[in-house]
Amino acid sequence: GENVEQHPSTLSVQEGDSAVIKCTYSDSASNYFPWYKQELGKRPQLIIDIRSNVGEKKDQRIAVTLNKTAKHFSLHITETQPEDSAVYFCAASNRGSTLGRLYFGRGTQLTVWP
Amino acid sequence: EAQVTQNPRYLITVTGKKLTVTCSQNMNHEYMSWYRQDPGLGLRQIYYSMNVEVTDKGDVPEGYKVSRKEKRNFPLILESPSPNQTSLYFCASSSPYDGSPYNEQFFGPGTRLTVL
Repeated sequence: GENVEQHPSTLSVQEGDSAVIKCTYSDSASNYFPWYKQELGKRPQLIIDIRSNVGEKKDQRIAVTLNKTAKHFSLHITETQPEDSAVYFCAASNRGSTLGRLYFGRGTQLTVWP
Repeated sequence: EAQVTQNPRYLITVTGKKLTVTCSQNMNHEYMSWYRQDPGLGLRQIYYSMNVEVTDKGDVPEGYKVSRKEKRNFPLILESPSPNQTSLYFCASSSPYDGSPYNEQFFGPGTRLTVL
């Protein structure tokens, strides 16, 4: 099955700086790569996703890039704010072969210091 | 409102006392799944279901049972809970058959279980 690795496991940045979280996947057939944000005590919430037919997607301060050849994708957060502090999970999926199953990375605890 | 609900939200129990955590979704999703979340280990899938009466093991199924008698409900059953099942549990659902080749998964609010 798919194996998703996520780095770093913890990340501390100063408010206003950028943060980058990286993930690699093993199954070249994976075609959907969502990112979830989980605030303390809350459920994971989808914040952005990227599909295998594009290389980059942006949504305000958040962007995700995908390199299919190298099988890695990254989350970029610019102008970080204290409310960005949370655990971020990447995931990979191939609906064609695994239907609904998402394979998650282990998460990155992001702390933004004011 | 489209949502996934879980009950109870918090549960403290003792070793060996059977319990059920319910999960229900109102989005007519075919796919439902249970995860457990432990510090440093991320979200690990316990069981999943592709549709009514179709269930399969995820990565950590030992000590758990599930059933899918109705499309909207996917209960998680711990027949003899043990302390190593103390964890935060999430139910999730999605629709693999909505015509999109992609797969957004919706999570329930979580159930924090403590087994003494």
